[in-house]
Amino acid sequence: AQSVAQPEDQVNVAEGNPLTVKCTYSVSGNPYLFWYVQYPNRGLQFLLKYITGDNLVKGSYGFEAEFNKSQTSFHLKKPSALVSDSALYFCAVRDLSGGYNKLIFGAGTRLAVHP
Amino acid sequence: DSGVTQTPKHLITATGQRVTLRCSPRSGDLSVYWYQQSLDQGLQFLIQYYNGEERAKGNILERFSAQQFPDLHSELNLSSLELGDSALYFCASSVGEIWDTGELFFGEGSRLTVL
Repeated sequence: AQSVAQPEDQVNVAEGNPLTVKCTYSVSGNPYLFWYVQYPNRGLQFLLKYITGDNLVKGSYGFEAEFNKSQTSFHLKKPSALVSDSALYFCAVRDLSGGYNKLIFGAGTRLAVHP
Repeated sequence: DSGVTQTPKHLITATGQRVTLRCSPRSGDLSVYWYQQSLDQGLQFLIQYYNGEERAKGNILERFSAQQFPDLHSELNLSSLELGDSALYFCASSVGEIWDTGELFFGEGSRLTVL
């Protein structure tokens, strides 16, 4: 079965510093990987996805993610964190078992950016 | 705004009761997904419908049921409610065709509190 793991419950970073939120995956076949963000009392919002092509994927709000096949990782990054980036971040993988799309999400990582 | 509408936003009820959560997908989307988000379980996939038919089932309890209507809106029915059913219930939609890359569009969620 497809799965993703987010090893950190929380990541703390100072505003202006680079941030990394980690994700590793376990899939059979080629992975379709996603990052979503959830702000307080809101639904999940799509940030970026990797399907094929360049290992560095650029997304919304200045975020990017690096796909690493040998390490089965898809870490989310941003060069300079903002306080407004503080939110819950979910990594997800597409699961096609049964022949239909669904997304399997990681447990989430809470990002706290301090002024 | 994702284009996915969920009602009600908040619901408070008692143990043993039954509630219905409603979701209207984005215009043109054929697939509807239900997810449950709780503090201790993270984001759990419940069930998926495609064009009116059930397509995939996840960790959905037998006390829960769902359906997708001809106009593509979906309802999630939760019965014999227990305290542990208190959670945020998300609906998401996608085009759902075989070429769909898997990106989901989420509603704002329905927060259920069981007292």
